[in-house]
Amino acid sequence: GIQVEQSPPDLILQEGANSTLRCNFSDSVNNLQWFHQNPWGQLINLFYIPSGTKQNGRLSATTVATERYSLLYISSSQTTDSGVYFCAVGGYQKVTFGIGTKLQVIP
Amino acid sequence: DSGVTQTPKHLITATGQRVTLRCSPRSGDLSVYWYQQSLDQGLQFLIQYYNGEERAKGNILERFSAQQFPDLHSELNLSSLELGDSALYFCASSSGGAPLHFGNGTRLTVT
Repeated sequence: GIQVEQSPPDLILQEGANSTLRCNFSDSVNNLQWFHQNPWGQLINLFYIPSGTKQNGRLSATTVATERYSLLYISSSQTTDSGVYFCAVGGYQKVTFGIGTKLQVIP
Repeated sequence: DSGVTQTPKHLITATGQRVTLRCSPRSGDLSVYWYQQSLDQGLQFLIQYYNGEERAKGNILERFSAQQFPDLHSELNLSSLELGDSALYFCASSSGGAPLHFGNGTRLTVT
């Protein structure tokens, strides 16, 4: 099946710093999504982005489908950004998740 | 609020027992996905249903089964429970494959 790799596995940021999270995938996909799992375990869909660039406030994402990677940018990080960020890829059936990037934003 | 409802929120049971987890998808979503997340692990895909029919199967154990009913709610049945089955079980729904919207999960503890 499709392989999804995320980097870095762990990240510690000072509040206000910027960061870039990367997701590489092994095969062409119909969709790519980014999720944030907060410290309470809730999974929030951040972006559905099979290709191109999208922005939502301080977050933006870019997917280059032909090169099989996606990037999630977090600007001016806040403590509420802490948690795990997952990339998920797939078609109309199985959606495969990467192992995530664990982000800690410290005041 | 994602619109996906999972019950119960917490479940504590003993080894060898059987439990049923329930999921109500968002209004209008025909697809339901089940995922297992063990402690500090990623999400493992278990199974997907679309409008009552099984569409895709992941690493789901034979002790586990699921179904989607005519009203589109889904149930995940876990039997002969083992300590290693302790995990957070998520249900997600979607319309046409993406984006996925997750419920808040059921935390299962097997003692």
